[in-house]
Amino acid sequence: AQSVTQLGSHVSVSEGALVLLRCNYSSSVPPYLFWYVQYPNQGLQLLLKYTSAATLVKGINGFEAEFKKSETSFHLTKPSAHMSDAAEYFCAVSGGVDFGNEKLTFGTGTRLTIIP
Amino acid sequence: GAVVSQHPSWVICKSGTSVKIECRSLDFQATTMFWYRQFPKQSLMLMATSNEGSKATYEQGVEKDKFLINHASLTLSTLTVTSAHPEDSSFYICSASLPSGLETQYFGPGTRLLVL
Repeated sequence: AQSVTQLGSHVSVSEGALVLLRCNYSSSVPPYLFWYVQYPNQGLQLLLKYTSAATLVKGINGFEAEFKKSETSFHLTKPSAHMSDAAEYFCAVSGGVDFGNEKLTFGTGTRLTIIP
Repeated sequence: GAVVSQHPSWVICKSGTSVKIECRSLDFQATTMFWYRQFPKQSLMLMATSNEGSKATYEQGVEKDKFLINHASLTLSTLTVTSAHPEDSSFYICSASLPSGLETQYFGPGTRLLVL
């Protein structure tokens, strides 16, 4: 069984400030972890993924996330927020193909607002 | 690469009618496609997993006779909402995974369904 908890349904940061979106997971097998971004009335775009390689993962648009097994966390960060980062962010976990479970389980999402 | 399209992007229909939504992988062959449903300001809920040439696997609580899924080719899956009712109004999103990288799903732009 897998689950994802995203702490904070809404996060507001000033333009140029650090962005930190929290994600904790639960998985009975080594997880694959993902961050997706969703703009209004659009589908999801993959930001980055962790699939058991390097624990610090760099993604698109300057985002990165660090897999911490001891903390069961996969927090998303960006050093300097931009207005275009305003969107909904989803953390997701899967068991990976190796374990026969490529289904994604999503967190409830975090809406990021950027303050000018 | 890894572009997924959906058609239509939005649809309004009368209660009792059926609506078909198409999901296409434009530049790759997708052996597995997924259908999700998203209510306003909520996360994505997996409805079913669709494998080319076989019957879809539905998640618990999803009525397979109401949400008909067909995955007739490696680039096309369709979701038909039969005898639609207002409570079926939602945002439907499909995703597809690459044959060589099933751990990553690429999402379509979504279809907004409004049943009157």
